[in-house]
Amino acid sequence: QKEVEQDPGPLSVPEGAIVSLNCTYSNSAFQYFMWYRQYSRKGPELLMYTYSSGNKEDGRFTAQVDKSSKYISLFIRDSQPSDSATYLCAMSDNAGNMLTFGGGTRLMVKP
Amino acid sequence: NAGVTQTPKFQVLKTGQSMTLQCAQDMNHNSMYWYRQDPGMGLRLIYYSASEGTTDKGEVPNGYNVSRLNKREFSLRLESAAPSQTSVYFCANQKRAGGRNEQFFGPGTRLTVL
Repeated sequence: QKEVEQDPGPLSVPEGAIVSLNCTYSNSAFQYFMWYRQYSRKGPELLMYTYSSGNKEDGRFTAQVDKSSKYISLFIRDSQPSDSATYLCAMSDNAGNMLTFGGGTRLMVKP
Repeated sequence: NAGVTQTPKFQVLKTGQSMTLQCAQDMNHNSMYWYRQDPGMGLRLIYYSASEGTTDKGEVPNGYNVSRLNKREFSLRLESAAPSQTSVYFCANQKRAGGRNEQFFGPGTRLTVL
């Protein structure tokens, strides 16, 4: 079993929909939780960064962490075609030297 | 500022050939990383370097060597390429600020081993 599990998709939604992307993990030492966005044939770029449990909002994006369930989510409101990309969750322990990534979920937002 | 740059962008090798993937940063960060990305597998860490002159193995180091000769450059070498090493390779660096660690990625090198 992988340390971080993520549904690979693809997830296809109409423009304007609310999107929910999720990851589960098994290592209770993880304290920092990230979402990276990767456009086709590009390198990943950091989208959201959270520490421990709780919610964090940035514009149309909300990251949610539930450490008791070992479950993290990314919500995208009013999704746009430009949101079409692969979304990777990543997490690290307190030392923060290494990240463990999920397999990525491919999202397609159709006009 | 270029950020993290990688060369080459594409490469095709025959089984048994060797090559070096180059990575350079102009962000002055201490830590640098090499990942490989395969379909459905996410990013898997091959090697990382916490600072100039130090390197450590990641999750999938077999078949690879690395070199961190200075703060700016971190290279990945395949001594005898195998088809299982067909992948997209990403170099990254890491910024530490106020308890937050953020990794910045290069554009990737697409490697095919025949």
